[in-house]
Amino acid sequence: QGRLVQSGAEVKKPGASVKLSCKASGYSFTNHQIHWMRQAPGQGLEWMGIISPGDGATIYAQKFQGRVTMTSDTSTSTVYVEVSSLRSEDTGTYYCARRLPPGIDPWGQGTLVTVSS
Amino acid sequence: QAVVTQEPSLTVSPGGTVTLTCASSTGAVTSGHFPYWFQQKPGQVPRTLISDTTNKHSWTPARFSGSLLGGKAALILSNAQPEDEADYYCLLSYNSIRVFGTGTKVTVL
Repeated sequence: QGRLVQSGAEVKKPGASVKLSCKASGYSFTNHQIHWMRQAPGQGLEWMGIISPGDGATIYAQKFQGRVTMTSDTSTSTVYVEVSSLRSEDTGTYYCARRLPPGIDPWGQGTLVTVSS
Repeated sequence: QAVVTQEPSLTVSPGGTVTLTCASSTGAVTSGHFPYWFQQKPGQVPRTLISDTTNKHSWTPARFSGSLLGGKAALILSNAQPEDEADYYCLLSYNSIRVFGTGTKVTVL
């Protein structure tokens, strides 16, 4: 079936960086890409990018290129997303989700990131 | 980057039918955009309802269906139930870059 468990909530100051994790279990980690999405409070979903855990290949949304880095650790079946130069607009819930053609499932439970001085 | 537009809000009567649409700023939506539809209820994680235009998942109620309609992707909800009240998002693929739609709030009233 598969399960994704994300790291806990974070509070950061503007200009700082944050690194979130998404640990996979119950399936072959390297065989499925992982999407990262985010959702600002009361707003819609935003696609950030996708990583292939096996070889670390990434594709980022244009908006996040240069400020977001996605990585994977096959030894722990974990993918990470790091967002640098945080600003208040980065506040929101960040989700990881597995690409399982033709679907996207499962989703992680989400990680709330709060950027505040 | 493309902009994907949905109706901000729609209201449907219990037992009624409503069609949600998903339009692309680049032109007609086709099967090559691999349209997805997600449902998100307040305080919950989104879940996939429809993949690749029409594919349902094991948990997708039969009253939901996906199609292409008039150059847009469409999610049709028939026989609406109170529990269908939620936000709905489409997702389109542009050569591996994905873009979410603006979302539609569906009220069952």
